Amino acid sequence: DSGVTQTPKHLITATGQRVTLRCSPRSGDLSVYWYQQSLDQGLQFLIQYYNGEERAKGNILERFSAQQFPDLHSELNLSSLELGDSALYFCASSVAGLTNEKLFFGSGTQLSVL
Amino acid sequence: TQLLEQSPQFLSIQEGENLTVYCNSSSVFSSLQWYRQEPGEGPVLLVTVVTGGEVKKLKRLTFQFGDARKDSSLHITAAQPGDTGLYLCAVAGTSYDKVIFGPGTSLSVIP
Repeated sequence: DSGVTQTPKHLITATGQRVTLRCSPRSGDLSVYWYQQSLDQGLQFLIQYYNGEERAKGNILERFSAQQFPDLHSELNLSSLELGDSALYFCASSVAGLTNEKLFFGSGTQLSVL
Repeated sequence: TQLLEQSPQFLSIQEGENLTVYCNSSSVFSSLQWYRQEPGEGPVLLVTVVTGGEVKKLKRLTFQFGDARKDSSLHITAAQPGDTGLYLCAVAGTSYDKVIFGPGTSLSVIP
């Protein structure tokens, strides 16, 4: 158990809909990362937060947004969903958000867009 | 264009064999990490290397960071079925940069 909690584990929805994925980082970790994993694209970096502030951004679509709340949990919002958004979404956390730190990953949310 | 390349993409070997997988790029990195991911789970960190030429050992696994800090290798001695998984390398340009993962090497060790 990594200590990172992601909910829900599975999500099935239709095209055009909006969903929210939730992540609770490990106790004491200030930084949260979101990644998208699909068979053809691998593990793609979406966005990173540190103590409530955005620290780094990857190729995150404009239809996607995220935030980290004062209690350090994070949410990833996906809107106007398309078939291609079907993927496994991972949240990870680390103590201070430095790149040589260990990232602790949750078990992921499997999103299926039908 | 892939920032990171990993080879081979797939590898299937018999228990007891040795193997090496590679992570390559044309860019220089401040640090490089290796993770292993099992089906249905998130990646788990195996090692972090930060110094060019650095070699680290973790039981039967040997990790090496290239002298120029652009590439790395992971060697497994006497592979076991428990080594089966997706091996991912991850890099960052600076200490505060985003952490980017390679496409991975999928290893299957057959009993």
